[in-house]
Amino acid sequence: NAGVTQTPKFQVLKTGQSMTLQCAQDMNHEYMSWYRQDPGMGLRLIHYSVGAGITDQGEVPNGYNVSRSTTEDFPLRLLSAAPSQTSVYFCASSYTGGANQPQHFGDGTRLSIL
Amino acid sequence: AQTVTQSQPEMSVQEAETVTLSCTYDTSESDYYLFWYKQPPSRQMILVIRQEAYKQQNATENRFSVNFQKAAKSFSLKISDSQLGDAAMYFCAYRGEDDKIIFGKGTRLHILP
Repeated sequence: NAGVTQTPKFQVLKTGQSMTLQCAQDMNHEYMSWYRQDPGMGLRLIHYSVGAGITDQGEVPNGYNVSRSTTEDFPLRLLSAAPSQTSVYFCASSYTGGANQPQHFGDGTRLSIL
Repeated sequence: AQTVTQSQPEMSVQEAETVTLSCTYDTSESDYYLFWYKQPPSRQMILVIRQEAYKQQNATENRFSVNFQKAAKSFSLKISDSQLGDAAMYFCAYRGEDDKIIFGKGTRLHILP
């Protein structure tokens, strides 16, 4: 029972490098989302998706790209990493049909940009 | 746009006492859902309790209950008989008609033995 799997768990990048944070879920959830968590800022929504082929921007989308080619996967891409993107990133998923369904979270990815 | 505000960055409570964490939100929607999540030092996000806006009855889960005031757009969490394991960061979250889920900035709860 894997739930939501995020890889990697830790990553250090240099400014200007690109990378993709992976997120996969095996619960057939339509809704998937990415958050970043910074001290004193809570969880801020970066991008979200309500199904394969559909994505939308959240509160802080700049500097990040997403795609949703399958129900299971929702990768987050940093095209040119900046120190301001140093954060802990969480991926989450849930059903959309019943909006009272809670989100299932991955364990997070700690990303440092030097 | 919807917003969620948690006005208490940190709170402390004596073990076995009761504590209330505040959450207010702003929305023009009539149908939505509210959640409280707990994040212990392990960083794992754990659902504590949920509330549907169309239900007038306040949700309860064991020692956790909410005071949902729809007109005031308030959704506070009450923890009774506080235990050391309740020490964590608590986040209030709003899920609206577009399924987008917004979180507050969190309240760090300390339990004093």
